[in-house]
Amino acid sequence: SAVISQKPSRDICQRGTSLTIQCQVDSQVTMMFWYRQQPGQSLTLIATANQGSEATYESGFVIDKFPISRPNLTFSTLTVSNMSPEDSSIYLCSLQAGGLVSEQFFGPGTRLTVL
Amino acid sequence: AQKVTQAQTEISVVEKEDVTLDCVYETRDTTYYLFWYKQPPSGELVFLIRRNSFDEQNEISGRYSWNFQKSTSSFNFTITASQVVDSAVYFCALSEARTSGTYKYIFGTGTRLKVLA
Repeated sequence: SAVISQKPSRDICQRGTSLTIQCQVDSQVTMMFWYRQQPGQSLTLIATANQGSEATYESGFVIDKFPISRPNLTFSTLTVSNMSPEDSSIYLCSLQAGGLVSEQFFGPGTRLTVL
Repeated sequence: AQKVTQAQTEISVVEKEDVTLDCVYETRDTTYYLFWYKQPPSGELVFLIRRNSFDEQNEISGRYSWNFQKSTSSFNFTITASQVVDSAVYFCALSEARTSGTYKYIFGTGTRLKVLA
């Protein structure tokens, strides 16, 4: 299976600032996703990162707050903008292994703490 | 709406005991897929199994087994002879078909399993 890396692995940020999280895959993948996992909670899909076009956001998530880039088939970024303590979470990127309903594989996550 | 319920928030067992993690789902799709993931303390999510709605055969992989029962909308996960390394949060997930033809995965709230030595 593909190797997925995320940078940074963790960060502590001040309220009002922005953080960009990078997700790198060692092979080309069609579908990449960004999830949020709040402390002790389940995973919530933020958006699907589409290569060459705008990301598709889930209800409750907007581009101004979580801009996403997908410049090619191996890389994506998620920015958490104008952060508040409520944004403290683990952010995970994932990729779909094959077909439309194949299993997803997840990166190691970025643990974000906002003070 | 699609929903995944993992009613067991936390389970503690002693090593070598068998343990079953419950997963109940709701879906309007006629074809759907179910998944289990493990999240150890390190935080990385590990894929365990995918099962489609047409295949109700139980599956066994080493100490792990899965029981899919469409009649009760359940996809339970059993660990036989549990080990300390099985301590983790386990998530059940369900595919949701979208009008675009793509799928979204709905995750349950997870069950934290603690295996005591």
